[in-house]
Amino acid sequence: DAKTTQPPSMDCAEGRAANLPCNHSTISGNEYVYWYRQIHSQGPQYIIHGLKNNETNEMASLIITEDRKSSTLILPHATLRDTAVYYCIVRGPAYSGAGSYQLTFGKGTKLSVIP
Amino acid sequence: NAGVTQTPKFRILKIGQSMTLQCAQDMNHNYMYWYRQDPGMGLKLIYYSVGAGITDKGEVPNGYNVSRSTTEDFPLRLELAAPSQTSVYFCASSSGDRVLKPQHFGDGTRLSIL
Repeated sequence: DAKTTQPPSMDCAEGRAANLPCNHSTISGNEYVYWYRQIHSQGPQYIIHGLKNNETNEMASLIITEDRKSSTLILPHATLRDTAVYYCIVRGPAYSGAGSYQLTFGKGTKLSVIP
Repeated sequence: NAGVTQTPKFRILKIGQSMTLQCAQDMNHNYMYWYRQDPGMGLKLIYYSVGAGITDKGEVPNGYNVSRSTTEDFPLRLELAAPSQTSVYFCASSSGDRVLKPQHFGDGTRLSIL
């Protein structure tokens, strides 16, 4: 799986859009970009994923650059409940073995939503 | 929609005791997983299952056992608890026959071994 780089922390004013960047310059053509978040003391929560097209769901939007070397997760109207650590993960098709199934979380970005 | 349910939420064990962490999902997912997360660290895969009757070891299986007799349930058994097993344990599940499907997590069991 490709390595990802995220800023360690970000602040966002409540009600404003939160834009969380992720660099994945070694991504392969068949690898997807996933975003999860972990709110303090809770289990990780899946947010969104994509291959090369921009994606949107009820929680967020995912913008992937044309060369696929970076992406941005957008929370359109951040609330206090969005304060969490956000993880960008790149994963490709699995072939065999436990490593295919394990989600590897890096250090992520700690997003603080400020009232 | 309950999703992935883990019980208990908290437990304190004495060294050498045994216990079973329960995990149930109501999404009819074939794939289920057990992870542990130590303070300030990432997730480590303990065991996983690709369907009822099929289980396999993850990165850190020693000291644990699992079973998968039904699609819904995936209990994790700790035998002879040790202080090194103090951690937060997360169960997750995912659908389909491709591992690219997102994993959905329970809220965890916080386990302390004293």
